[in-house]
Amino acid sequence: SQQGEEDPQALSIQEGENATMNCSYKTSINNLQWYRQNSGRGLVHLILIRSNEREKHSGRLRVTLDTSKKSSSLLITASRAADTASYFCATANTGNQFYFGTGTSLTVIP
Amino acid sequence: EAQVTQNPRYLITVTGKKLTVTCSQNMNHEYMSWYRQDPGLGLRQIYYSMNVEVTDKGDVPEGYKVSRKEKRNFPLILESPSPNQTSLYFCASSKRLAVTGELFFGEGSRLTVL
Repeated sequence: SQQGEEDPQALSIQEGENATMNCSYKTSINNLQWYRQNSGRGLVHLILIRSNEREKHSGRLRVTLDTSKKSSSLLITASRAADTASYFCATANTGNQFYFGTGTSLTVIP
Repeated sequence: EAQVTQNPRYLITVTGKKLTVTCSQNMNHEYMSWYRQDPGLGLRQIYYSMNVEVTDKGDVPEGYKVSRKEKRNFPLILESPSPNQTSLYFCASSKRLAVTGELFFGEGSRLTVL
């Protein structure tokens, strides 16, 4: 399987704290994307980082990419209860296939 | 409103009874794909389509068929469903090549095969 893996599988933090989740993947990529999924709902795109980029910001989100280690991290700063969701990384290769990780379940306690 | 619409949202069926899950997008996207989501396994790609009449297998195509006769529609067909196809299914679309753009997801179709 070419699926990636997120780490940790589950994360519980207090509101206002930062949340960091990591993603490892297996193959060469064109880009890596992070998605959010509220329980039982469709996934929503958060941010895309290209293989030639090392860091990207969007609001309270910061994504890093290390292609030499085939890994990425997503940092959510100043978390809110509304950030409670599952977060998935997805990699796209030249074959137009997406490979999703197994997800990190984030709980933000008010 | 830009959206990907799946139907039905919930379905309980019996082994062997053919069913179709429809997917329609109103964003004029070339790329469409189907995923299944199972606990502990994340999302796995079933089939994808780069454009009309162009479809390719993903990681788990066995037991499924798709067609892309129109740009906006990409139905998923289970000719003879089995219990191991009980899952949450998502349709997604993307503008141009998937490698350059984000995926827009439908709300999911929860299928139970008895």
